Amino acid sequence: DGGITQSPKYLFRKEGQNVTLSCEQNLNHDAMYWYRQDPGQGLRLIYYSQIVNDFQKGDIAEGYSVSREKKESFPLTVTSAQKNPTAFYLCASSIDGRGAKDYGYTFGSGTRLTVV
Amino acid sequence: GQQLNQSPQSMFIQEGEDVSMNCTSSSIFNTWLWYKQDPGEGPVLLIALYKAGELTSNGRLTAQFGITRKDSFLNISASIPSDVGIYFCAGQPRGGSEKLVFGKGTKLTVNP
Repeated sequence: DGGITQSPKYLFRKEGQNVTLSCEQNLNHDAMYWYRQDPGQGLRLIYYSQIVNDFQKGDIAEGYSVSREKKESFPLTVTSAQKNPTAFYLCASSIDGRGAKDYGYTFGSGTRLTVV
Repeated sequence: GQQLNQSPQSMFIQEGEDVSMNCTSSSIFNTWLWYKQDPGEGPVLLIALYKAGELTSNGRLTAQFGITRKDSFLNISASIPSDVGIYFCAGQPRGGSEKLVFGKGTKLTVNP
């Protein structure tokens, strides 16, 4: 079955360390997105990519980095520069980068990152 | 940037009650979507609306695309405990922006 997979489900990081969250999709979607979710804050866009080897900053990109070397993969690195990294991270993908055409975004099941 | 105002922020209801939530914006949207997020999981698409005035049902869920294209509502009839979760509205701006705009969510609690 086609879908979008995030791993790991739970991740613990020591302060000052970088950590990379994985996101893989086999839906043949062009666009991929990373969101951060904090209680009561809704979904905040970190980075998005509409095509391989290209990506743009979202609303809260500081302290994060991404790469899009393959259509299927869009890993997110949380760097030590991110001052408050503890959150629930969601990856999503969509057809042709226009978001809501036909089916909207498909989300992964999320990664909960905790800084210890 | 564009914003969606989603209300209410949270709801506490008894099993069997009907639920209504809505999203409004000062901008026009081409498409409205409603998602549900179970605790600890990613949001799942419930209903997609593509035309102003469109009324669409999915089981006990009914959603409408406002005629002004600036609002949408979601109704849940005869709620059950598994309806618990956070419901998000999302819209695609008319200007052709590629990214969806999300509301902040309505957290629903259903008491058995």
